[in-house]
Amino acid sequence: SQQGEEDPQALSIQEGENATMNCSYKTSINNLQWYRQNSGRGLVHLILIRSNEREKHSGRLRVTLDTSKKSSSLLITASRAADTASYFCATHGGYQKVTFGTGTKLQVIP
Amino acid sequence: SAVISQKPSRDICQRGTSLTIQCQVDSQVTMMFWYRQQPGQSLTLIATANQGSEATYESGFVIDKFPISRPNLTFSTLTVSNMSPEDSSIYLCSVPETGQTQYFGPGTRLLVL
Repeated sequence: SQQGEEDPQALSIQEGENATMNCSYKTSINNLQWYRQNSGRGLVHLILIRSNEREKHSGRLRVTLDTSKKSSSLLITASRAADTASYFCATHGGYQKVTFGTGTKLQVIP
Repeated sequence: SAVISQKPSRDICQRGTSLTIQCQVDSQVTMMFWYRQQPGQSLTLIATANQGSEATYESGFVIDKFPISRPNLTFSTLTVSNMSPEDSSIYLCSVPETGQTQYFGPGTRLLVL
């Protein structure tokens, strides 16, 4: 299975702190994506990083990708209570199929 | 960006019954995906639904248990048949977006008693 594994499974931080989540995957990829899910609702796409990219930024989000280690990290800077959610990495396989990681549950305490 | 709605948003069902979940997209799409998310777990792809052809099921999922319809390019249904408590999950539909990302519906939260 190409499913990614994320760590930590759960993370609790104070508002204003940075949150880092890591994702490892098993096979070669075209790209890796990060999604957010608020309280069991639908997923929202956050950012996509291609296999030939090493780092990407979007607002308070910073994603890194190390294809040699088959790993990625998502950094959320200056966290807010509204960032409380589950975060999933997802790897893109063939024919539009996306495989999701196990997820990190982030709690930001006001 | 695609806007996706799902009905019902949640339901509580008795074991042995069936529930049909609807997914409506505000634009025409060739491909739609159905996912299951069991409590506290990640998303698992159930099947890919293409308009005009049979759905393609992933390993561990069968048509008799999860029949899918795709009557047109904006609509699909997933039926969870002969339900048991193990079917309690969130069911999500999604459509691909350019750049290989996906838009997701808000999900249907199912509890089977």
